Amino acid sequence: GAVVSQHPSRVICKSGTSVKIECRSLDFQATTMFWYRQFPKQSLMLMATSNEGSKATYEQGVEKDKFLINHASLTLSTLTVTSAHPEDSSFYICSAPPRTGTAGELFFGEGSRLTVL
Amino acid sequence: GDSVTQMEGPVTLSEEAFLTINCTYTATGYPSLFWYVQYPGEGLQLLLKATKADDKGSNKGFEATYRKETTSFHLEKGSVQVSDSAVYFCALNTGGFKTIFGAGTRLFVKA
Repeated sequence: GAVVSQHPSRVICKSGTSVKIECRSLDFQATTMFWYRQFPKQSLMLMATSNEGSKATYEQGVEKDKFLINHASLTLSTLTVTSAHPEDSSFYICSAPPRTGTAGELFFGEGSRLTVL
Repeated sequence: GDSVTQMEGPVTLSEEAFLTINCTYTATGYPSLFWYVQYPGEGLQLLLKATKADDKGSNKGFEATYRKETTSFHLEKGSVQVSDSAVYFCALNTGGFKTIFGAGTRLFVKA
C-alpha cells in the first residue's frame, strides 16, 4: 500500500486564490520531504526540500513567497500555492526518503493536479 | 552538473515483445542509479536500483545493469505485458538529498 499520501488529488481554483496541498508519510516519520512539479511530457522538477522544524530549501528560480512550504510535523508537509495563476497549473508531487535505504530511494505521493482558471 | 538522458518516447510495442529503454548519465563521483515507474494516474514507484558499477538491479522481470564504462543504465524486459504500459524514469543520486531524474519515457503495450 501507499506509504506517502497526497491530498487533494485534483483541485480546480480561480485565479488569485490560494490552494493548499498536503503530503503525509504513513507509518513512518519523514524529517525531509521533497516537492516536485511535473509538466506534461516532461520530467520532475525539484521545487524545494521541506525540512521538519525549519525553513524549506528552495531550488533556484522557485519563488518562495509564491510556493509556501510548511513541515509542521514528522508526518506532514504542506505546499500552498498563493495567488494562483493559470501558469501555476501543473501536477505537483511530493516524496519522502525511507528511514533506511539508499540515498535517492524515495516514496512518492500520488500527485495533485492543480488547474487554475 | 549531474544529468540523466533517456530515450524519447513514446515507445509502442506489442505484447511479448522485447523492451529496451536507454539511459545514460553524467555525474561527478559514483552515483546510485534508479528506475522509477509511473502508472497512469499514480505517483512514481521505485522499480529497481543499482548502487555500484556492474551491479544488476531487477524486479518484475525488468533488469538494468550499471555500466560505468559507458555511463549507462539501460532498462530491459524480455516480454512486456499490457500492464507494463506506463512512464519510466531513469534517475541518479550521488549521495546527497538531490535526485536527478530523466525526462521519462512513455511505454504503450498493445494486446
